Amino acid sequence: GDSVTQMEGPVTLSEEAFLTINCTYTATGYPSLFWYVQYPGEGLQLLLKATKADDKGSNKGFEATYRKETTSFHLEKGSVQVSDSAVYFCASSNAAGNKLTFGGGTRVLVKP
Amino acid sequence: DAGITQSPRHKVTETGTPVTLRCHQTENHRYMYWYRQDPGHGLRLIHYSYGVKDTDKGEVSDGYSVSRSKTEDFLLTLESATSSQTSVYFCAISSGRGNEKLFFGSGTQLSVL
Repeated sequence: GDSVTQMEGPVTLSEEAFLTINCTYTATGYPSLFWYVQYPGEGLQLLLKATKADDKGSNKGFEATYRKETTSFHLEKGSVQVSDSAVYFCASSNAAGNKLTFGGGTRVLVKP
Repeated sequence: DAGITQSPRHKVTETGTPVTLRCHQTENHRYMYWYRQDPGHGLRLIHYSYGVKDTDKGEVSDGYSVSRSKTEDFLLTLESATSSQTSVYFCAISSGRGNEKLFFGSGTQLSVL
C-alpha cells in the first residue's frame, strides 16, 4: 500500500537557521503531495502542495519540489522563526485524490 | 476557517464503556474523515464517508464504527473502549474533488483508563 516516510524529530534550530525536513513516498501512479503543519493545540492545516512531477509548492517561505525520480518531497525554509515551531506532516494522495496517507510527523522547535 | 466542530474536546472514560465522538460541519462538503494521531504513527485513517450513509474503512478501523445520517454530521463510535484507543481523534472534511485539501477540526483528546 501507499506509505510516507519522513525524518523523525525533534529538530531543534536557532532562529534564522535553514530548515530541511526529508520526505519520501511509495505509491502507485502519480500521487499529489502535501505538507501539513500542526501548531500546538490545533488541528492540521495545509502548508503547501504539488500535483505533478517537478512542481514546486510554496507558502510562507516554505518550499518543496515534487521529485519523481527520487520519490521525494523535501520541505525547506531558508530562515526559520520562532513562530515556525510546530509539527510538520508530509502526505500523499490516492489515485482518486480523496484520501491522504500521512507520514509520522516531524516536530520542529525554533529557539530565539 | 472551515466550519468544523468536534465534540467533546476532551473525554475520560473507562475500559469497556461505549464512546461516541461527533463531528459537525457547516461547509456542505461531501467527504468526511476520522483520523487518530499517536506518537510515532502520525495520522492514521479510521473511517471515512463519501456521502450520507456511504462509509468505508480506513487502515485502523477495528474496534470503531461510524454513521452519517446527515451531510453535516459524522459520528465515530467506540463500542467498547480499550486503553489502546487512548489517542487524539481528528475529524477532517473535503469537497472530494481530486487533490482538494483537507480541513481539520481541533481534535478530541480521549483517555481510556
